[in-house]
Amino acid sequence: NAGVTQTPKFQVLKTGQSMTLQCAQDMNHNSMYWYRQDPGMGLRLIYYSASEGTTDKGEVPNGYNVSRLNKREFSLRLESAAPSQTSVYFCASSDERLNTEAFFGQGTRLTVV
Amino acid sequence: AQSVTQLGSHVSVSEGALVLLRCNYSSSVPPYLFWYVQYPNQGLQLLLKYTTGATLVKGINGFEAEFKKSETSFHLTKPSAHMSDAAEYFCAVSLMNTGFQKLVFGTGTRLLVSP
Repeated sequence: NAGVTQTPKFQVLKTGQSMTLQCAQDMNHNSMYWYRQDPGMGLRLIYYSASEGTTDKGEVPNGYNVSRLNKREFSLRLESAAPSQTSVYFCASSDERLNTEAFFGQGTRLTVV
Repeated sequence: AQSVTQLGSHVSVSEGALVLLRCNYSSSVPPYLFWYVQYPNQGLQLLLKYTTGATLVKGINGFEAEFKKSETSFHLTKPSAHMSDAAEYFCAVSLMNTGFQKLVFGTGTRLLVSP
């Protein structure tokens, strides 16, 4: 039972490069989320998807785009990476109908130089 | 809007001592409250949650938390700290909006346990 799987685990980008962070869940959850974690700031929501085919902005969406490819997959794209996007990124999923908690992936540590 | 405040970015205890991590929330509707733990270089793992019912909630690894509506608090406690408890702890409140739920996190408290 994999839960939430994120790839890659580590990435170094140069300023201006683009990349896509991948996330997949195998729990048949409707809702998926992307958070970033920065020291002293906790986790901040970037984008979320309440269901397949829908996405909405969270607290810090600037510089990011997302795609809910299907029920299982939710990707996060950085079109032109900036040093301010150096962070640890977490994907999560939940089934709000059951009032269950969100399940998190292991994170992607991204450094933009 | 909902928010969570965790008092103290770092808490240090000795092994065997009481652990108390503080969390206060603000919410315009009855909240769902969570405590997550993050071990170094790992994702977040649920410790415990309060949705409805009993206000004293027991979680994994001997942790518990009490929902106190009058104090808008959800403090996390453990009677006796163990070295393995050293980690970062996040309190979170969920937003319920037409059946959709997402979490708002506090800034985290790093628990340090000394021998």
